[in-house]
Amino acid sequence: AQKVTQAQTEISVVEKEDVTLDCVYETRDTTYYLFWYKQPPSGELVFLIRRNSFDEQNEISGRYSWNFQKSTSSFNFTITASQVVDSAVYFCALSPMEYGNKLVFGAGTILRVKS
Amino acid sequence: EAGVAQSPRYKIIEKRQSVAFWCNPISGHATLYWYQQILGQGPKLLIQFQNNGVVDDSQLPKDRFSAERLKGVDSTLKIQPAKLEDSAVYLCASSLSFLRNEQFFGPGTRLTVL
Repeated sequence: AQKVTQAQTEISVVEKEDVTLDCVYETRDTTYYLFWYKQPPSGELVFLIRRNSFDEQNEISGRYSWNFQKSTSSFNFTITASQVVDSAVYFCALSPMEYGNKLVFGAGTILRVKS
Repeated sequence: EAGVAQSPRYKIIEKRQSVAFWCNPISGHATLYWYQQILGQGPKLLIQFQNNGVVDDSQLPKDRFSAERLKGVDSTLKIQPAKLEDSAVYLCASSLSFLRNEQFFGPGTRLTVL
């Protein structure tokens, strides 16, 4: 069975603070993908990143960075110097590398960035 | 490039009524997904199509939900009859294939069942 846990239900920060969103996953598959999606108030899920289970290198994209640690089954997401526009619900998701590749989502973390 | 289109954006119905949602995926995307997102939860996959064939419908409540993708392009999801617990946002997503599985989502249809 596959499961994604986002223990932080809601986080509030002040603009320019750094914030880390936690994601812990469970899977029996040896090969899989991990994702992060952003859901702004408009409701549309926006793809942020996909990592495969073979690649544990951290990734940085502008103010966003991701830390994948297979040993702890975690795929955490950090926003540096947060901005009000970062306010959204963020979802971590897991997908097996097999035929079908469905996404299993966590419950999401609401991020509120105050000016 | 046009994104995933869905209609209607909002729908309010009485319980026991029927409702249908439409989705047009990104051009060239062979794989289409329907998700149900209940308020405060992450999306849950209802059904996945590869072209016009069903890949996974294990979480689709088949006694009341049905979906089709007859020509391998656009798709409809139907609920008949609706229950109060069907109130949710129904999201459609598409990807190039099951191997290229970055999924791109539409704006969703918010269904309220009274």
